Amino acid sequence: AQSVTQLGSHVSVSEGALVLLRCNYSSSVPPYLFWYVQYPNQGLQLLLKYTSAATLVKGINGFEAEFKKSETSFHLTKPSAHMSDAAEYFCAVSEDTGRRALTFGSGTRLQVQP
Amino acid sequence: DAGITQSPRHKVTETGTPVTLRCHQTENHRYMYWYRQDPGHGLRLIHYSYGVKDTDKGEVSDGYSVSRSKTEDFLLTLESATSSQTSVYFCAISGTGKLESPLHFGNGTRLTVT
Repeated sequence: AQSVTQLGSHVSVSEGALVLLRCNYSSSVPPYLFWYVQYPNQGLQLLLKYTSAATLVKGINGFEAEFKKSETSFHLTKPSAHMSDAAEYFCAVSEDTGRRALTFGSGTRLQVQP
Repeated sequence: DAGITQSPRHKVTETGTPVTLRCHQTENHRYMYWYRQDPGHGLRLIHYSYGVKDTDKGEVSDGYSVSRSKTEDFLLTLESATSSQTSVYFCAISGTGKLESPLHFGNGTRLTVT
């Protein structure tokens, strides 16, 4: 069965600093991986997805993630944090089952300090 | 944004009462999902549907039932609400059924069981 682990439930950075949110996956088959962002009192919005076409994936709002098979990782980065990036971020992996659901990590709350 | 409407957005109910949450989509998508979100757990799958009258259980289905009589509507029922079912509930949809396809989420229903 597929699973994801997000390291760090809370991450705090200064405005303008590098953002790094960690996600490691476990999968017996080549995975499809996703990052979602959730702003307060809203649903989840897709940031980016990995579907094996390229190991470096660019998403919305300046975020990108790199798939590293050797490290079973799919970390999310942004070169320069903005106050508007403060939100909760979820990594997810597509299940290799008929239900076509996603399995989510426990989430990382990003705080951006002025 | 995907046309997903969840109702109600907020609900407070008493222990032991039945509660029904509604998810309505205008995308004509085949797959629909109910997740619950709790701190430290990310999102966990309650039930899903792969077509009209075709539903199945997820990991945390105890105490919940679902129905899908039309493509556009997916109902989640708490048969006898308990305090442990206090949570934020999200509906999601997927149209292609392909592993690389992301899920699109509604804005959630915040349920409090007193």
